[in-house]
Amino acid sequence: GAVVSQHPSWVICKSGTSVKIECRSLDFQATTMFWYRQFPKQSLMLMATSNEGSKATYEQGVEKDKFLINHASLTLSTLTVTSAHPEDSSFYICSARDVGAGPNTGELFFGEGSRLTVL
Amino acid sequence: AQSVTQLDSHVSVSEGTPVLLRCNYSSSYSPSLFWYVQHPNKGLQLLLKYTSAATLVKGINGFEAEFKKSETSFHLTKPSAHMSDAAEYFCVVSAGGSSASKIIFGSGTRLSIRP
Repeated sequence: GAVVSQHPSWVICKSGTSVKIECRSLDFQATTMFWYRQFPKQSLMLMATSNEGSKATYEQGVEKDKFLINHASLTLSTLTVTSAHPEDSSFYICSARDVGAGPNTGELFFGEGSRLTVL
Repeated sequence: AQSVTQLDSHVSVSEGTPVLLRCNYSSSYSPSLFWYVQHPNKGLQLLLKYTSAATLVKGINGFEAEFKKSETSFHLTKPSAHMSDAAEYFCVVSAGGSSASKIIFGSGTRLSIRP
């Protein structure tokens, strides 16, 4: 099946710094990628939908200036957590849909997730 | 509008016994339904999907699910649990007919396997 690569898998940073997480679709093109946040023992919370070549669509309650999303190409989306604070510590997961498989039949392919710890 | 409800937050079964993870959905459109599995500190892996073809869907690792429109259910089953099945399972509904159609996750069911 299709592969989505997410990097880094673990990151520890100091409070006030910014962290960038990359999400790549390795063997398919993804015009749309999704960014999720997952708290311990909870479901995935959709943060934003990343659209290639245009601005991301953020879910209600997600600060767009805090979580910067850039979808510069058909195979790469990045999430930058700006001025990170301890409450931003979480597991961040990206996913992509293979549009070539059909608009409503394409499954989501998930990255392995990125564990962010802000000290 | 669409939603998905996983009826059990935690299911515990003995190794070798059947597994049943329940999922009910609601959707204004003909939905696509998925089951994903997540092991600790990992991303999600697709177990199986329903996309308006056969109502009984077979997936990986011996899992299967049956789409029942009259009951708006898509329960996940496996005849015989294995220790490696212990993980978090998510039922997902997608509907809307476009490449950016809304994807809704259930709250998850944690499956524990007793030796």
